[in-house]
Amino acid sequence: DQQVKQNSPSLSVQEGRISILNCDYTNSMFDYFLWYKKYPAEGPTFLISISSIKDKNEDGRFTVFLNKSAKHLSLHIVPSQPGDSAVYFCAASAEGTYKYIFGTGTRLKVLA
Amino acid sequence: KAGVTQTPRYLIKTRGQQVTLSCSPISGHRSVSWYQQTPGQGLQFLFEYFSETQRNKGNFPGRFSGRQFSNSRSEMNVSTLELGDSALYLCASSPDSPSMNTEAFFGQGTRLTVV
Repeated sequence: DQQVKQNSPSLSVQEGRISILNCDYTNSMFDYFLWYKKYPAEGPTFLISISSIKDKNEDGRFTVFLNKSAKHLSLHIVPSQPGDSAVYFCAASAEGTYKYIFGTGTRLKVLA
Repeated sequence: KAGVTQTPRYLIKTRGQQVTLSCSPISGHRSVSWYQQTPGQGLQFLFEYFSETQRNKGNFPGRFSGRQFSNSRSEMNVSTLELGDSALYLCASSPDSPSMNTEAFFGQGTRLTVV
């Protein structure tokens, strides 16, 4: 049972445009959500997170939106840069634990 | 501040053998979690240790075990290796209290190949 889903395995975007990566979850107990970026043969790198008490969090070019009623979150990258090309994972945790449930990832390719 | 250090980076083992992987967390972090990444299953939570105690456990068989030492360093052990255990094993380090909603920091992983 996949509690966190990233339904788009890949996404291609032109440099300078907006990248939107989506994530859906099923467990209503999740109260903390994170996005990680991963390059091959490296560990995931933390990008941005959001608590369930908020619906938006922004950090530079990265913004995460949370829609609790739809159990959906999205990561917006504006403007997209070629260096953003990587696999992006969303993750969720419940009740203040470090047990993260990850989605299967979306491979983002930013075209120069 | 040094990041999360995992050793070794690469390992090749034979079916039936056992293996021990090591993780040194970021200085001051007391929580260490382990994840398995495979192409088919993505990143899956194995277990989390905090102050030498296992605090959370994922859905893996008993062949997978771990421990944490008083200096917060952690090891995970896989016994009776199977071909399906071939994966990237990732360690994540976190500060004391998960109730603060702070993120986990990952190491570069240990690539285990079982032949």
